[in-house]
Amino acid sequence: AQSVTQPDIHITVSEGASLELRCNYSYGATPYLFWYVQSPGQGLQLLLKYFSGDTLVQGIKGFEAEFKRSQSSFNLRKPSVHWSDAAEYFCAVGADYGGSQGNLIFGKGTKLSVKP
Amino acid sequence: DTAVSQTPKYLVTQMGNDKSIKCEQNLGHDTMYWYKQDSKKFLKIMFSYNNKELIINETVPNRFSPKSPDKAHLNLHINSLELGDSAVYFCASSQGPQTQYFGPGTRLLVL
Repeated sequence: AQSVTQPDIHITVSEGASLELRCNYSYGATPYLFWYVQSPGQGLQLLLKYFSGDTLVQGIKGFEAEFKRSQSSFNLRKPSVHWSDAAEYFCAVGADYGGSQGNLIFGKGTKLSVKP
Repeated sequence: DTAVSQTPKYLVTQMGNDKSIKCEQNLGHDTMYWYKQDSKKFLKIMFSYNNKELIINETVPNRFSPKSPDKAHLNLHINSLELGDSAVYFCASSQGPQTQYFGPGTRLLVL
C-alpha cells in the first residue's frame, strides 16, 4: 500500500537558519510528489510538486525539494527561514487508483516553529 | 476571485442534526474531492468525483453523501451527526495529474 512518512512531528529553527523537512514515501511506480503548507486556521497551499524530469524542484516562497528514488525521499529545504514560515507542512503522494492517479495520500505533517 | 470556495467556514451543531457543506471551484477542473482533517491534523480522502461521477469512495459511513450537481460543485451532506464527525473538511479540485487546489476548509463542531 502506498504511504507517506514524515518522521519529524515538530521542528524548531531559528530565523535565518536553514531548514530541511524529511519525507519518505512507499510507492511502486514513479510517484507524483507534493509539498503543501497549512498556516493556522487556513487551507492548504501548494509549495511545489514533482512529476518527472529534474529531480530538484523549485517552489514558491524560496522552497525547494529533491526527489531521490534510491532513498524513496522527497525532502523539503529552505536556505534561510523567515518567521512567516511557521506552519504545518504536509508531504503527499498521488495515489494509484485503478491504474491512474487518484487522490492524494498525505503524511501526518511536520509542525515548524521559528525562533526569533 | 477565490479558486476553490467552501461554505460555511464554521459550523457548530448538535448531535443528530443533518447538515450540508458546499464547495465550488471556478478553475474549470473536472475532478473534485472531499478530505477530512482530524484533530491530529491527519488528512484523509473521503470522496472524489470526476465530471459529476463518483470515482473514489473511501470507507466513510453512509451518513455522508456527496452530491455533484455539475462539475464545478461538490456538496457534502451529513445525516445524524455524531461527536466523532467533528473535524475540518476540505474540498479540492484538479485537472489532469494530481495538482490539487484546496479550499479554505469548513470547521465542523458537533456538540
